[in-house]
Amino acid sequence: NAGVTQTPKFQVLKTGQSMTLQCAQDMNHEYMSWYRQDPGMGLRLIHYSVGAGITDQGEVPNGYNVSRSTTEDFPLRLLSAAPSQTSVYFCASSTTSSNEQFFGPGTRLTVL
Amino acid sequence: AQKITQTQPGMFVQEKEAVTLDCTYDTSDQSYGLFWYKQPSSGEMIFLIYQGSYDEQNATEGRYSLNFQKARKSANLVISASQLGDSAMYFCAMRDYQGAQKLVFGQGTRLTINP
Repeated sequence: NAGVTQTPKFQVLKTGQSMTLQCAQDMNHEYMSWYRQDPGMGLRLIHYSVGAGITDQGEVPNGYNVSRSTTEDFPLRLLSAAPSQTSVYFCASSTTSSNEQFFGPGTRLTVL
Repeated sequence: AQKITQTQPGMFVQEKEAVTLDCTYDTSDQSYGLFWYKQPSSGEMIFLIYQGSYDEQNATEGRYSLNFQKARKSANLVISASQLGDSAMYFCAMRDYQGAQKLVFGQGTRLTINP
């Protein structure tokens, strides 16, 4: 049972490049979400999903795209990277009734 | 909209002392949940404790307890007998029950335990 895994752990992009951050969980959790953490701040919700085929926007969705084709995977796509997207990105999952969200180890992204 | 406020950017405590980390929240919902997470320097988010808005007893998990004062909208984390390993960032967060499990986080408190 690997829990929530994220790849890559580190990434450097140039402005305008696109990329996909991968997130997978093996706990059969319905709910998955993406957060970003900027220096000196708490986490902010980007997008979330309550099940395969269902996604919705969080607090800071602009510049990001998601899809959920399977229960296990929830990739986050940066369409055209900007320096403002330099951040640490966390993926989380839980059951819809759980009082605990399980977080992945994070991806540190730098956009030059 | 929900909001979490953590007014202590940093705290310094002597080892073995108890420490209280402050958290106030704002919501118009009647049903909600409050969480505390620990983030050590390695960066992972570690769930510590949960309190439901209708729970009559304060939540406890080992050395962690949540001092829940609903009328004052506060949910302070109390760590008893602090240890060097407790040095970390601590985040308070809340979730409503109307939708999916969307967490709103505070800005965090950096706790340093001195030997």
